[in-house]
Amino acid sequence: GAVVSQHPSRVICKSGTSVKIECRSLDFQATTMFWYRQFPKQSLMLMATSNEGSKATYEQGVEKDKFLINHASLTLSTLTVTSAHPEDSSFYICSARELSNQPQHFGDGTRLSIL
Amino acid sequence: GNSVTQMEGPVTLSEEAFLTINCTYTATGYPSLFWYVQYPGEGLQLLLKATKADDKGSNKGFEATYRKETTSFHLEKGSVQVSDSAVYFCAHGSSNTGKLIFGQGTTLQVKP
Repeated sequence: GAVVSQHPSRVICKSGTSVKIECRSLDFQATTMFWYRQFPKQSLMLMATSNEGSKATYEQGVEKDKFLINHASLTLSTLTVTSAHPEDSSFYICSARELSNQPQHFGDGTRLSIL
Repeated sequence: GNSVTQMEGPVTLSEEAFLTINCTYTATGYPSLFWYVQYPGEGLQLLLKATKADDKGSNKGFEATYRKETTSFHLEKGSVQVSDSAVYFCAHGSSNTGKLIFGQGTTLQVKP
């Protein structure tokens, strides 16, 4: 149980394009989803927290107009990297939890490479 | 502020050796503590957790005990296998927001 599916697993695109990453909870209702960014050989940095049906809460230093987050249903959240540039290349990981006292379950991540 | 500090890696062990990865934390309140494991190219998997002082989390031969007096949550395994090679992250979760604060990760390499 508690499976989180993230898609795509890898994407390569040209500078200036926008990229959408999907995060789905397959067997539970995720009232809260989290988006992280991980640089090579470093820890996960929380980018934003999204609760179903409301606006995402972004961490300090994360541009909300650059990283658009939508959590329109209890099983799906999307992260759109708008007008991506090479410095946005990274490993993006989502997580989801059903209730506040339960652990987060992570997707397998998306390797984003901007040329 | 809230933080998690792990021992630096990589940790290189021979198969069947004893493993300890140290983790200490600073936090307000009484956070839950977690160990996550990340295999190459994948997301994180919850390995074990403890929600209050003196709790012991255990899974797949790994153990960690929530030590409030030393603010530690060291990961141990009595006999590691090659398949345990991965990056291990210690984390604590805010009881208010549920946000996770991760340590920097420790790479474990187990050689046959």
